[in-house]
Amino acid sequence: GAGVSQSPSNKVTEKGKDVELRCDPISGHTALYWYRQSLGQGLEFLIYFQGNSAPDKSGLPSDRFSAERTGGSVSTLTIQRTQQEDSAVYLCASSLVGPSTDTQYFGPGTRLTVL
Amino acid sequence: TQLLEQSPQFLSIQEGENLTVYCNSSSVFSSLQWYRQEPGEGPVLLVTVVTGGEVKKLKRLTFQFGDARKDSSLHITAAQPGDTGLYLCAGRIDQNFVFGPGTRLSVLP
Repeated sequence: GAGVSQSPSNKVTEKGKDVELRCDPISGHTALYWYRQSLGQGLEFLIYFQGNSAPDKSGLPSDRFSAERTGGSVSTLTIQRTQQEDSAVYLCASSLVGPSTDTQYFGPGTRLTVL
Repeated sequence: TQLLEQSPQFLSIQEGENLTVYCNSSSVFSSLQWYRQEPGEGPVLLVTVVTGGEVKKLKRLTFQFGDARKDSSLHITAAQPGDTGLYLCAGRIDQNFVFGPGTRLSVLP
């Protein structure tokens, strides 16, 4: 079956604009994660969705960042009033159950550049 | 400061050489994972280690979890150009995984 897909693959925006990044997880996976990867840094955890439970938003860096997961499937990460420091690769991952020892399958990422 | 440190940051070697990369922390992890990431793609899981002192082998790759579950190493025997990539370790704390900054490996033919 298809893996995790993300769109767009690249996004260039101007400082102050809002952006939406989309993630389509693997069908049947109940857990979905968003990470941010900056040059020379590891993956920074942003948010975690598990089924119908309230999401773990503990990694969101500011209130300009938000995410939704509709119908337990597709997720959208929204960044409002983008800043240059938001430039990074945003990665989405899904897993069958949860983060215990389950395998996370990553999408190819969206490279965001804020000018 | 990084919760997980990886060393070296960069490594360039010739095909056929052996290498070891390290993942270190002052924190104790319930499990630790190693991933490889190629340009333009997401990380792909290589292995999960759970028990202190555990050693797992995946073809030419040998992974070891430290006895105290604070560190790990990845040893590659007879490296090949296909091993080129960014190697990330990730330690589990509670319900989340914390990632290191990675070791960027380049294997030259």
